[in-house]
Amino acid sequence: QLQLQESGPGPVKPSETLSLMCSVSGGSVRSDNHYWAWIRQPPGKGLEWIGSISYNGNTYDSPFLKSRVTMSVDTTENHFSLRLRSVTAADTAVYYCARVTVQYPAGPDWFDRWGQGTLVTVTS
Amino acid sequence: DIQMTQSPSSLSASVGDRVTITCRASQTIIITKYVNWYQQRPGKAPKLLIYGASNLQTGVPSRFSGTGSGTDFTLSISSLQPEDFATYYCQQSYSTPRTFGHGTKVEVK
Repeated sequence: QLQLQESGPGPVKPSETLSLMCSVSGGSVRSDNHYWAWIRQPPGKGLEWIGSISYNGNTYDSPFLKSRVTMSVDTTENHFSLRLRSVTAADTAVYYCARVTVQYPAGPDWFDRWGQGTLVTVTS
Repeated sequence: DIQMTQSPSSLSASVGDRVTITCRASQTIIITKYVNWYQQRPGKAPKLLIYGASNLQTGVPSRFSGTGSGTDFTLSISSLQPEDFATYYCQQSYSTPRTFGHGTKVEVK
């Protein structure tokens, strides 16, 4: 069964770059029917989609974060990554990686597998 | 952006109750299948319950169901079980950015 596991730095200082990786096991990121997503949840709040990426690098992302976000996929190592630049306290959240199942062409999609999440705290 | 407004934000119910949660989209989702529902237990990752508005994800009990069209969508639990006390989120995949409702917390009465 497909599993996802986030790994990250723990605390990050304001203005620095947050880097997270999501390792995929039990399946391959090289899939034509799936994208790979990042979603975050500030403490006590709801879910916010950050962006999604395909195995060949096609991305779509939130306009609210777009200028600060870089996503990438490593098909050799079977993981995907997120970099969020110039963080502030507002970026403190549990960050989840997820698999997106997509119905082509131009069909709906849904987040059907999730990692357990990793708390990233922005603090000086 | 499409805003997804859930109601109620919380509710109290007992085991065996029928529960209905509503999600209203800020613009018409022309093709119904672009709405999904998730369950999140405290300290856990969200779990997909319903995709395409009415399709039950594999392994999800049949007491969960989803309906809706246009701007109004509902998640129903036919007979609440102890493990169903959780927070539920709707989400749209009709347009970018993907957006979630703010959640409905189902609590013990």
